[in-house]
Amino acid sequence: GAGVSQSPSNKVTEKGKDVELRCDPISGHTALYWYRQSLGQGLEFLIYFQGNSAPDKSGLPSDRFSAERTGGSVSTLTIQRTQQEDSAVYLCASSLYHSGGLSVGTEAFFGQGTRLTVV
Amino acid sequence: AQSVTQLGSHVSVSEGALVLLRCNYSSSVPPYLFWYVQYPNQGLQLLLKYTTGATLVKGINGFEAEFKKSETSFHLTKPSAHMSDAAEYFCAVSDNQAGTALIFGKGTTLSVSS
Repeated sequence: GAGVSQSPSNKVTEKGKDVELRCDPISGHTALYWYRQSLGQGLEFLIYFQGNSAPDKSGLPSDRFSAERTGGSVSTLTIQRTQQEDSAVYLCASSLYHSGGLSVGTEAFFGQGTRLTVV
Repeated sequence: AQSVTQLGSHVSVSEGALVLLRCNYSSSVPPYLFWYVQYPNQGLQLLLKYTTGATLVKGINGFEAEFKKSETSFHLTKPSAHMSDAAEYFCAVSDNQAGTALIFGKGTTLSVSS
């Protein structure tokens, strides 16, 4: 597709259940980001994938959160044993790789997000 | 590590007035700087960016921002606000080395009154 695609667009789950959120980045984009958007908290960085490098997981809030990126394309964010405080909009973005200071499409393009509600 | 501070979570202006949204960043290496906008019930879209070169950058919808290294700032301005500018605005920073994530500020909600 032409843009970043996320699914599902909405997800309601019971506390304690696991959820998987999917992101299809723009074709050819090697960088992929996950963010969490909560009211009044802005965009909280979660994890960043860049090509074949080890992902930057420094933003994951707990070990209940994990993410994979298969084949350098599709990514899945998994939240285990969901809690009510996990309720938020989860945003995925992708960008072209920027190398050695060269500006090669450094802006990130965002998906519409997945609104997660934990009840 | 980079960080971004947006001063003022909410800014209100009258239609036709100057818009000024403040952003200060922290980065140990030369930064790339961005402003994104999120209109109600819509996704984030890029407004403008600074990477290298001219420090005054122009974006869509009449917005512009100036990179001031000495002040570590990248404030967003528009000479005359329009009702359609009401949205949430996010400042973001990454560095100009490979392999770093975009870090966002907490956002500023702009309200425009008639």
